Amino acid sequence: GAVVSQHPSWVICKSGTSVKIECRSLDFQATTMFWYRQFPKQSLMLMATSNEGSKATYEQGVEKDKFLINHASLTLSTLTVTSAHPEDSSFYICSAAGGPEAFFGQGTRLTVV
Amino acid sequence: SQQGEEDPQALSIQEGENATMNCSYKTSINNLQWYRQNSGRGLVHLILIRSNEREKHSGRLRVTLDTSKKSSSLLITASRAADTASYFCATAPPSGYSTLTFGKGTMLLVSP
Repeated sequence: GAVVSQHPSWVICKSGTSVKIECRSLDFQATTMFWYRQFPKQSLMLMATSNEGSKATYEQGVEKDKFLINHASLTLSTLTVTSAHPEDSSFYICSAAGGPEAFFGQGTRLTVV
Repeated sequence: SQQGEEDPQALSIQEGENATMNCSYKTSINNLQWYRQNSGRGLVHLILIRSNEREKHSGRLRVTLDTSKKSSSLLITASRAADTASYFCATAPPSGYSTLTFGKGTMLLVSP
């Protein structure tokens, strides 16, 4: 199957700093990328959907100024958590789709201290 | 928003036993997928069943889909300790089926 690489796997940052998470499709062109958030022992919640070259569509309740998404190329999307706070600590997972099926990255565990 | 609801929320069994997890959803779908997630790790795609299919097998996995009841079940036969994980169902809408909506998941513990 297609490979989606997410980087970093885990990151610890201080409150108030910004963190960037990358999601790359390694062997296919991803016209659409999805960002999910998962709290401990809970399910995945879709945060936003991004199409290459256009602005991301955010789900209700997700602050677009806090979670900046950029999908500048067909193989790369980035999620930047700005001015991170401890409540932003979570597991973030991306998925990428070049057609009907989406493939998931390995996830990024963010801890804000 | 969450569409799928899995039950049970948690399931504890012995190795060799079968494990059955159920998923219910609310709206029309193109397909339903089951994923496994080991603690703190990414998702592993297990199986996809389309809305016009009723049953699908893959190794020790058996998935059923009842669109009239808007429900699906995942059966893992002859479970192993390595099957310990959380299992999620995810539904894809009729229109854009790369957009998945995940259920809350079932945490499966298989004891040796």
